[in-house]
Amino acid sequence: DAGITQSPRHKVTETGTPVTLRCHQTENHRYMYWYRQDPGHGLRLIHYSYGVKDTDKGEVSDGYSVSRSKTEDFLLTLESATSSQTSVYFCAISESMTAIDGYTFGSGTRLTVV
Amino acid sequence: AQSVTQLDSQVPVFEEAPVELRCNYSSSVSVYLFWYVQYPNQGLQLLLKYLSGSTLVKGINGFEAEFNKSQTSFHLRKPSVHISDTAEYFCAVSDPRVQGAQKLVFGQGTRLTINP
Repeated sequence: DAGITQSPRHKVTETGTPVTLRCHQTENHRYMYWYRQDPGHGLRLIHYSYGVKDTDKGEVSDGYSVSRSKTEDFLLTLESATSSQTSVYFCAISESMTAIDGYTFGSGTRLTVV
Repeated sequence: AQSVTQLDSQVPVFEEAPVELRCNYSSSVSVYLFWYVQYPNQGLQLLLKYLSGSTLVKGINGFEAEFNKSQTSFHLRKPSVHISDTAEYFCAVSDPRVQGAQKLVFGQGTRLTINP
């Protein structure tokens, strides 16, 4: 989707190294989310943000941190990558708190930890 | 907390046949329900949503879904599928009673394969 971009699209990293994934939106939406997608698990929420500097944990937040210093950018950091964090990571945005229009998703980042 | 179960991980169907993808959610209280589609190597796109009102919801690409409160189900249907419908489909739920940001909870996904 043109209003939300994720970078990088693909990354291979070594166990124990830090990794930062970026989500950038041009929609000026307040709410942003990071999910991971794994076979058999669907999408699981890692962290989300409800405004600049306002973030909270999702159901699978261990090993991840986030930051949001500007409305348009939401960063996901793996402090010390592990093989269990090999996954496809999706960022999503929502204009309203109630998300009645659902989310708009980015194209994803495929991360491989070796 | 809400949860979603998609009863079939894979559904193979012949082209022009009808298809139903099943979704059940955990709570009988009011919920918002969504179906998303994910084409290969892409993000998720919203197919349709149920917020309230009519239990039959129509979406894009000829898909529709029926909300059944007594059975806590939200099954997705299409009367005649095409090769281009090959994708993974996700059912999702949110709880409008929750204060703060509405978080979508997703099912495990159903991979729909259309065979010629």
